[in-house]
Amino acid sequence: QQQVKQSPQSLIVQKGGISIINCAYENTAFDYFPWYQQFPGKGPALLIAIRPDVSEKKEGRFTISFNKSAKQFSLHIMDSQPGDSATYFCAVGSARQLTFGSGTQLTVLP
Amino acid sequence: KAGVTQTPRYLIKTRGQQVTLSCSPISGHRSVSWYQQTPGQGLQFLFEYFSETQRNKGNFPGRFSGRQFSNSRSEMNVSTLELGDSALYLCASSLGTSGKPSTDTQYFGPGTRLTVL
Repeated sequence: QQQVKQSPQSLIVQKGGISIINCAYENTAFDYFPWYQQFPGKGPALLIAIRPDVSEKKEGRFTISFNKSAKQFSLHIMDSQPGDSATYFCAVGSARQLTFGSGTQLTVLP
Repeated sequence: KAGVTQTPRYLIKTRGQQVTLSCSPISGHRSVSWYQQTPGQGLQFLFEYFSETQRNKGNFPGRFSGRQFSNSRSEMNVSTLELGDSALYLCASSLGTSGKPSTDTQYFGPGTRLTVL
């Protein structure tokens, strides 16, 4: 059973554009929704995270939008830069573990 | 502060062999989690250790085991390797004191790339 579905699988954006990645989950028991960024040859790194009592969280060019009733959350990258080219993973957290989405490979064209 | 370190970075084994991977967490972190990353299955949780005790376990066969030492360093062992075990094995450390990932940010190491021939 796939607990978190992430889309799109890949995304190509022009420099300066907005990148949007979506995730949907099923279990309402999840209480932590992080996004991780992974560059080739590196482990994932926490980018930004949100809890379900907040609908939006912004850190610099990165924003998480959270819709509790729809059980969906998304990552928005404003003013996308070539250096943002990486694989992005959403995750859902419960008391004991993180469950990751399948990942989105983002390419930002110069 | 030094990050999470994993050794070795690359490993080639043949089917039927066993392998041991090592993870040194960030200083002061007591929780270590292990993940398997493959192109087909993505990032999958293997298990988590805290204070030398396995606190949580994912859905992997018993061939996958781990342990944690008193200095919080952790090892993961895979016995009777199969071709499908080829993957990037990641470990992540966190403070672990809250027992919940919502307050325990996980910091990942660079991983060990295991190839099974």
